[in-house]
Amino acid sequence: QSALTQPASVSGSPGQSITISCTGTTSDVGGYNYVSWYQHHPGKAPKLIIYDVTNRPSGVSNRFSGSKSGSTASLTISGLQAEDEADYYCSSYASISTPYVFGTGTKVTVL
Amino acid sequence: QVQLVESGGGVVQPGRSLRLSCAAYGFTLSNYPMHWVRQAPGKGLEWVADISHDGLNQYYADSVQGRFTISRDISKNTLHLQMNSLRTEDTAVYYCARANPSGWHIFDFWGQGTLVTVSS
Repeated sequence: QSALTQPASVSGSPGQSITISCTGTTSDVGGYNYVSWYQHHPGKAPKLIIYDVTNRPSGVSNRFSGSKSGSTASLTISGLQAEDEADYYCSSYASISTPYVFGTGTKVTVL
Repeated sequence: QVQLVESGGGVVQPGRSLRLSCAAYGFTLSNYPMHWVRQAPGKGLEWVADISHDGLNQYYADSVQGRFTISRDISKNTLHLQMNSLRTEDTAVYYCARANPSGWHIFDFWGQGTLVTVSS
């Protein structure tokens, strides 16, 4: 099972919106609404920010939103803030080989 | 407050063994499935193994099947990962993560990780 494909880096200015894509196949992203997104500040614990494509856990800012079209999921961060600078990973349930597959990761830089 | 604290990482030679621990605070392990996930240097996240809330079922990635064993000590509310026959490609930061009751595919709380380096 190959990792889900994400752009290596995305950047934006404070206040702007950015979108991170996560591309898989019909055996993972495209086949299930089980996509999650995690924010990871290096050296700290990863944090769940979106689950089941569009749902936000309690306490997560509504500036984070998720969506999916076909085999590509997306995470949008609106009103970009300095604290959003981190690595972001998508994940999906998968029906081949491994039950859970992660994305390659995207480094978000706030200019 | 939910907290997961990993320990047990270090430098080990290829072919040797290491046991990682993950102490859970703020919740009871026997109520939740749990995962181990790793991140090799410069790489993305890779799921390693998980265990059901009752400890009866364990699942492993193909890359560690037969070499790693996930278990837990309910009396100490601690999750373990026994790693045998270690290879250089097992070098990574290892994270434990809790599975959300709504689905094992939701990793709702993570630890900060413990670094395992396999090198001669």
